[in-house]
Amino acid sequence: GAGVSQSPSNKVTEKGKDVELRCDPISGHTALYWYRQSLGQGLEFLIYFQGNSAPDKSGLPSDRFSAERTGGSVSTLTIQRTQQEDSAVYLCASSLEASGNYNEQFFGPGTRLTVL
Amino acid sequence: GDSVTQMEGPVTLSEEAFLTINCTYTATGYPSLFWYVQYPGEGLQLLLKATKADDKGSNKGFEATYRKETTSFHLEKGSVQVSDSAVYFCALTVYGGSQGNLIFGKGTKLSVKP
Repeated sequence: GAGVSQSPSNKVTEKGKDVELRCDPISGHTALYWYRQSLGQGLEFLIYFQGNSAPDKSGLPSDRFSAERTGGSVSTLTIQRTQQEDSAVYLCASSLEASGNYNEQFFGPGTRLTVL
Repeated sequence: GDSVTQMEGPVTLSEEAFLTINCTYTATGYPSLFWYVQYPGEGLQLLLKATKADDKGSNKGFEATYRKETTSFHLEKGSVQVSDSAVYFCALTVYGGSQGNLIFGKGTKLSVKP
């Protein structure tokens, strides 16, 4: 079946512009996670959704970052007024649910964001 | 807070050599432990996992044993192949709450030469 998909695969933007990154999780997966992979910081957790709710937004690096999920499916990560330190690969993962017993997270291919 | 420390890379080995990548963790709860692999140009994939102490996860010839007494989850393979060249990430998560997000080590790049 279809895996997690992300778009765009690559995004180059100028400092100060806003960007939107999209994630399509595996059908039926209620939990969705955003991570960031950068050279200096490794893989960092940003935010997760259980259904359309994001109970904990403390992993977002600044108030320029926001995310939403609609219909329990597609999620969008928005970065406003991008800075050069936002350059990274943004990864999305989904799993059957976020709580309880172990549920494997399946990762998308990522969006490589470059801020000039 | 919870964290994962894994050996710095890069690691370069010849084909058929023995591989060990060290991983230690700190966790406030009782974590589940994972190794993820990222092959060149591909996304992260789960390689193996262990959910309780003394469990051994294994896949594709790789093994790791959950050692609670030493808070470790070292990855081993007896004979590496060129196709094993990738970046390997040790990770943990603590379930029982409402989150289940993964906490990753910084990754170890493995290059296997023929």
